[in-house]
Amino acid sequence: DIQLTQSPSFLSASVGDRVTITCRASQGISSYLAWYQQKPGKAPKLLIYAASTLQSGVPSRFSGSGSGTEFTLTISSLQPEDFATYYCQQLNSYLRSTFGGGTKVEIK
Amino acid sequence: QVQLQESGPGLVKPSQTLSLTCTVSGGSISSGSYYWSWIRQPAGKGLEWIGRIYTSGSTNYNPSLKSRVTISVDTSKNQFSLKLSSVTAADTAVYYCAREGPWLTYDYWGQGTLVTVSS
Repeated sequence: DIQLTQSPSFLSASVGDRVTITCRASQGISSYLAWYQQKPGKAPKLLIYAASTLQSGVPSRFSGSGSGTEFTLTISSLQPEDFATYYCQQLNSYLRSTFGGGTKVEIK
Repeated sequence: QVQLQESGPGLVKPSQTLSLTCTVSGGSISSGSYYWSWIRQPAGKGLEWIGRIYTSGSTNYNPSLKSRVTISVDTSKNQFSLKLSSVTAADTAVYYCAREGPWLTYDYWGQGTLVTVSS
């Protein structure tokens, strides 16, 4: 199975900071990667799919890039409502979905 | 607007079968080319995909759970269901149902339901 490794697992940042989270796949997954945001006690929310396509209604400060084995999620200017845990997710050729371990973004 | 809602017992005894149902509203479960999935999350931990079903009945399961999992669909009730057999404390988690939308990513989620395995 394909493994996804997120880094860092924890990130402390201030409002207005530019934040980048990396997700590495153990083998190539083309652009079959998505990013989710999860707040405590809530279901995850889809932010980006196909590695770089912004889900409808998601603020443009969120962006995604990458293909193959290395992907990034960037928040251009961190807002108070962005403090949350972020997960990457892939769907490999055997239609088996896996998630990264998560990156918790906290207030500095 | 599609909405999903999980339902089922919040407490299951070890070795028994966990059973949950996801009711879909705001649209027919049979319309469009969507898969319907179950995902779980132990407290303080990450997300684990359990499996999915298409409205034709075709399924895919996480290999680590495959021997214990059954997912089924009832299109007449606009529902799909999860059964996980021989549960242990390690199966204690919040269980989510979700729709797989564009590029087979999860665009709609239920609110989640906590299932605790304990005697």
